[in-house]
Amino acid sequence: SQQGEEDPQALSIQEGENATMNCSYKTSINNLQWYRQNSGRGLVHLILIRSNEREKHSGRLRVTLDTSKKSSSLLITASRAADTASYFCAPGGSQGNLIFGKGTKLSVKP
Amino acid sequence: DGGITQSPKYLFRKEGQNVTLSCEQNLNHDAMYWYRQDPGQGLRLIYYSQIVNDFQKGDIAEGYSVSREKKESFPLTVTSAQKNPTAFYLCASNPGQRLGEQFFGPGTRLTVL
Repeated sequence: SQQGEEDPQALSIQEGENATMNCSYKTSINNLQWYRQNSGRGLVHLILIRSNEREKHSGRLRVTLDTSKKSSSLLITASRAADTASYFCAPGGSQGNLIFGKGTKLSVKP
Repeated sequence: DGGITQSPKYLFRKEGQNVTLSCEQNLNHDAMYWYRQDPGQGLRLIYYSQIVNDFQKGDIAEGYSVSREKKESFPLTVTSAQKNPTAFYLCASNPGQRLGEQFFGPGTRLTVL
């Protein structure tokens, strides 16, 4: 399956700490995307990393991709209470559409 | 403002009734998608449309129907054949690249009474 699997399922940290979430997938991909979802809302696109890229930054976000291990990680540095949300990875392979994992639920305590 | 809207935000339905969820976008996007999300779960693709007057089934199309008569609109009908329709429904669009960034609406929460 192309579906991403996020790990951990839930993560609780203090404000100011870094948060790391991981995503594993099983088939070859063209790109991998990360999305955020606040409770009861739609998803918001965070970052897209292509299969020929190893690392990408956007503000306090850093995404890495290791295609040999079929894994990606999302690092949020200096977390804030407003970062509290669920985070989903979505691997994109040539065979079909994006398939979203079950997400990591991040709680950042002030 | 450019964006994607869904209505209503909350919807209640009696068993045996069909109900239609609205999705409208003014982003001039070619592709539109419908997903279903259950508590603590990821998104599952119901239907998608790459272009006007054309759409394809996703992974869980049974009990649902769609139409794409206009570029900006992609309504989803939840029929009485859908056995467990209570869920959060999300609509998304993108310019047309199948694996590109998707833009999501705020969602409709459907509850069957």
